[in-house]
Amino acid sequence: GAVVSQHPSWVICKSGTSVKIECRSLDFQATTMFWYRQFPKQSLMLMATSNEGSKATYEQGVEKDKFLINHASLTLSTLTVTSAHPEDSSFYICSAISPGQGNQPQHFGDGTRLSIL
Amino acid sequence: QKEVEQDPGPLSVPEGAIVSLNCTYSNSAFQYFMWYRQYSRKGPELLMYTYSSGNKEDGRFTAQVDKSSKYISLFIRDSQPSDSATYLCAMSPGYSSASKIIFGSGTRLSIRP
Repeated sequence: GAVVSQHPSWVICKSGTSVKIECRSLDFQATTMFWYRQFPKQSLMLMATSNEGSKATYEQGVEKDKFLINHASLTLSTLTVTSAHPEDSSFYICSAISPGQGNQPQHFGDGTRLSIL
Repeated sequence: QKEVEQDPGPLSVPEGAIVSLNCTYSNSAFQYFMWYRQYSRKGPELLMYTYSSGNKEDGRFTAQVDKSSKYISLFIRDSQPSDSATYLCAMSPGYSSASKIIFGSGTRLSIRP
């Protein structure tokens, strides 16, 4: 149980395009989902916390107009990287938690490798 | 200074060896401590979750927390090639979903058959 699916797993696109990444909780309802970014050989950096039905909370230094997050249902959150540039190339990972579980355990998706040419 | 420091490795040991992975931290507010395993191009998988100081054992894995020294460890006994992965320590000041989890940079571990 507690499976989180992330799609796509890998995307390559041209600079200036927008890319949407989906995060789904397959067998549980997730009131809170988290979006992380991980550069090679570096730690996971929290970008934003997404709560169903409300606006996402962004971490300091993360541009909310560039990284659009939508959490329209209890099983789906999306991250859209708008007007992507090569410096946005990274590994993006989402996680989800069940209601009443505090902040643990976080169930992670398998990540999306984004490459901007 | 980073809030959480972790030796990036790589660490290579023979099969069957005992592995010791460590992290230090600077924020005394951290109360919850976690270890994740991450295989290449996959998301992290929670291995151990402990609260405050002490030891916790789960099969071949033992997590140890020393809050006085701000030092946590993960021990792997009878290491197997399938344990080869990147291990991330993580910690949080609170239990609520609003409490941010801070991750270490990860230690790459390789178990030689």
